[in-house]
Amino acid sequence: DSGVTQTPKHLITATGQRVTLRCSPRSGDLSVYWYQQSLDQGLQFLIQYYNGEERAKGNILERFSAQQFPDLHSELNLSSLELGDSALYFCASSEGGRKETQYFGPGTRLLVL
Amino acid sequence: SQQGEEDPQALSIQEGENATMNCSYKTSINNLQWYRQNSGRGLVHLILIRSNEREKHSGRLRVTLDTSKKSSSLLITASRAADTASYFCATDRGGSYIPTFGRGTSLIVHP
Repeated sequence: DSGVTQTPKHLITATGQRVTLRCSPRSGDLSVYWYQQSLDQGLQFLIQYYNGEERAKGNILERFSAQQFPDLHSELNLSSLELGDSALYFCASSEGGRKETQYFGPGTRLLVL
Repeated sequence: SQQGEEDPQALSIQEGENATMNCSYKTSINNLQWYRQNSGRGLVHLILIRSNEREKHSGRLRVTLDTSKKSSSLLITASRAADTASYFCATDRGGSYIPTFGRGTSLIVHP
């Protein structure tokens, strides 16, 4: 158990819908990272937050947004969902913002029908 | 394209044998990390090697780094069925501290 929790574990929804994925980092970790893992794209970095502020941005679509709250939990919002958004979404956390080992949550499996 | 690329894509061995996976990358790095992922689960950090290190050990794991060849290898000795998983290398490029993951090596260890 990494100490990172993600909810929900599974999510099935329809195209055009909007969903919110939630992540709670390990106690004491200030950084949260979001990744998307699909068969064709592999593990793609989406975005990083550090102590409530956006620190780095990766291959995140404009339809996707995220935020980190004062209690350090984070939410990833996916809107106008498309079939191709079906994937595993992982959250990871680390103590600081740089050069740190990341601890991954169990992931949220999203299926868009 | 991926910064790190693992090779082989898949590896099937018998319990007790050694497993070697390789990772090649394209640009200079600060460090390189190896992670393991059991099917459909989150990634688990195995080992981190910094750019000024050449070899590192952790239990049955041995990692080497050759910055001149921009490559790393992960050796799992005396493999067990429980080692069955996908193994990823992650590199952070010189100016960025966000790890970039390869597509992974799928390892199957037959009991």
